Amino acid sequence: DGGITQSPKYLFRKEGQNVTLSCEQNLNHDAMYWYRQDPGQGLRLIYYSQIVNDFQKGDIAEGYSVSREKKESFPLTVTSAQKNPTAFYLCASSISGPRNTIYFGEGSWLTVV
Amino acid sequence: GQQVMQIPQYQHVQEGEDFTTYCNSSTTLSNIQWYKQRPGGHPVFLIQLVKSGEVKKQKRLTFQFGEAKKNSSLHITATQTTDVGTYFCAGIQEGSRLTFGEGTQLTVNP
Repeated sequence: DGGITQSPKYLFRKEGQNVTLSCEQNLNHDAMYWYRQDPGQGLRLIYYSQIVNDFQKGDIAEGYSVSREKKESFPLTVTSAQKNPTAFYLCASSISGPRNTIYFGEGSWLTVV
Repeated sequence: GQQVMQIPQYQHVQEGEDFTTYCNSSTTLSNIQWYKQRPGGHPVFLIQLVKSGEVKKQKRLTFQFGEAKKNSSLHITATQTTDVGTYFCAGIQEGSRLTFGEGTQLTVNP
């Protein structure tokens, strides 16, 4: 099936530990995104990438890092520098940029204790 | 930076009543998209509007893009329990990136 796969769906980590969330797409999309969603709130852009080996900071990039070594993969690392990492993280992709439909993965719930 | 405001934040209706959510931007938008997120799920694309004054319909859903391309609305006629979820608008300013509104959470009482 075509789509976006995020893993893990649920993740618990101790404070101070880095954690990496996986995002893989087989839609052959050039653009990929990471959003953060807090309960009852909207989507805030963390990082986005319009092409392999290139990515840009979004509105809340502090404490996060990404890589885009392959077209189909866009992992997000939540570092210990992120002050409030507990949230729902959504990976997304689009054909070639935000003017196209954005397709979301099912999300990853991260809880830091 | 670009801001997209969405109201109301919450809306509770009885099944069969109508529902409307509004989206306003401080700047002119090149297009606007609408997404629906079911409880516990992920956002799913509903529609994109590009032209000034554009109106599109999907069954009981009517989407409008304002003449000035700074506002948009989603209207649901005769809500059903399957309409429950959070509706997001997302707009893009020329040369900028997509900005999501905070969403309107719709609850439908049977």
